[in-house]
Amino acid sequence: EIVLTQSPTTTAASPGEKVTITCLASSSVSNMYWYQQKSGASPKLLIYSTSSLASGVPDRFSGSGSGTSYSLTINTMEAEDAATYYCQQWSSNPFTFGSGTKLEIK
Amino acid sequence: EVQLVESGGGLVKPGSSLKLSCVASGFTFSSYGMHWIRQAPKKGLEWIALIYYDSSNKYYADSVKGRFTISRDNSKNTLYLEMNSLRSEDTAMYYCAKSGADWGQGVMVTVSS
Repeated sequence: EIVLTQSPTTTAASPGEKVTITCLASSSVSNMYWYQQKSGASPKLLIYSTSSLASGVPDRFSGSGSGTSYSLTINTMEAEDAATYYCQQWSSNPFTFGSGTKLEIK
Repeated sequence: EVQLVESGGGLVKPGSSLKLSCVASGFTFSSYGMHWIRQAPKKGLEWIALIYYDSSNKYYADSVKGRFTISRDNSKNTLYLEMNSLRSEDTAMYYCAKSGADWGQGVMVTVSS
């Protein structure tokens, strides 16, 4: 099973600040997916295939990485970005998720 | 617009069974693999099962293997999850998903005596 380790576990950012969340895989994966989940809602896909922006997602979000190291970046933090973020790999069954990063607004 | 609507959740006792349904619309259901993913209260996401578009292959997380069965009826655009021998640790919100892009609103399953 591929274990995905996200960091940080929690963080806070001021409006306009840049935020980076990392996801380290225990074995190499071909791609990474990123989701945003707000309280009481289903997860929403932000990034697919490592760096492709899902439909309707603001372009302040971006993804990068390869092999065992991936990251999600929010270029300029906005209040509406406060949420929990998860990485996920679809390369290898079981299709594991990271444990999540809770992002708060300062 | 893709819509996935889960139903069938509820409160059940340990050791009992429950069958979840997910009705799909807005896309050609019979052409896509489908997943069940769950989230225990205040916990992270856990993928639990995948079924290919034609039911030819099914895969399960170790935590549910042998107890849960994923199935589908393409004539009814419906995905199922049959859950047997339920345990307290199966308490979670259960989501059906079409790849990663489309998720249902989820259905709550609570296993408690």
